Amino acid sequence: DAEITQSPRHKITETGRQVTLACHQTWNHNNMFWYRQDLGHGLRLIHYSYGVQDTNKGEVSDGYSVSRSNTEDLPLTLESAASSQTSVYFCASSESPDLTYEQYFGPGTRLTVT
Amino acid sequence: DQQVKQNSPSLSVQEGRISILNCDYTNSMFDYFLWYKKYPAEGPTFLISISSIKDKNEDGRFTVFLNKSAKHLSLHIVPSQPGDSAVYFCAATGPVQFYFGTGTSLTVIP
Repeated sequence: DAEITQSPRHKITETGRQVTLACHQTWNHNNMFWYRQDLGHGLRLIHYSYGVQDTNKGEVSDGYSVSRSNTEDLPLTLESAASSQTSVYFCASSESPDLTYEQYFGPGTRLTVT
Repeated sequence: DQQVKQNSPSLSVQEGRISILNCDYTNSMFDYFLWYKKYPAEGPTFLISISSIKDKNEDGRFTVFLNKSAKHLSLHIVPSQPGDSAVYFCAATGPVQFYFGTGTSLTVIP
């Protein structure tokens, strides 16, 4: 069965360290997204990609970067982790280029920055 | 600035009764709306959607209503079951991205 996976599921890191969160989908979807979930804010878009070599900034992209070298993967990198980046991170993918199809979410990565 | 708002952080309902979850949005350009359900330690899963050309969409126990003039949508769950206890997010699609609300935690009491 097709799926979307994230690793690690839990991560503790120190302030200033570079951290990369992995996202892998086997749906063969062109669209992939990274969100963070925080209390009182819901899900906020960090970065998104509509295909290989395409990346775009979302509403909370500062301090994060992504790259898309193949269809299946969209790793999220925190260049220099800050305590404000402690959050739960969700990766998602979708089929439709015009956003009229639902997104499929991964199980999430809980990141703690100490 | 939150473009999609869910003003009720939590809701408790007796099993068998109707659950009504509400969502308001500010951008009249949004043309597609979705509801997601999220259990603890899991990612959100798609529940039901509605296009802006419709005012109602049903799927089993779940019905979504859209009032474009009021920029308001609601999710009705009838009858509510204990397994419906979860956080519900509404979402709207703009030209380039999804916008999610802050979520409503539904508890269905047996």
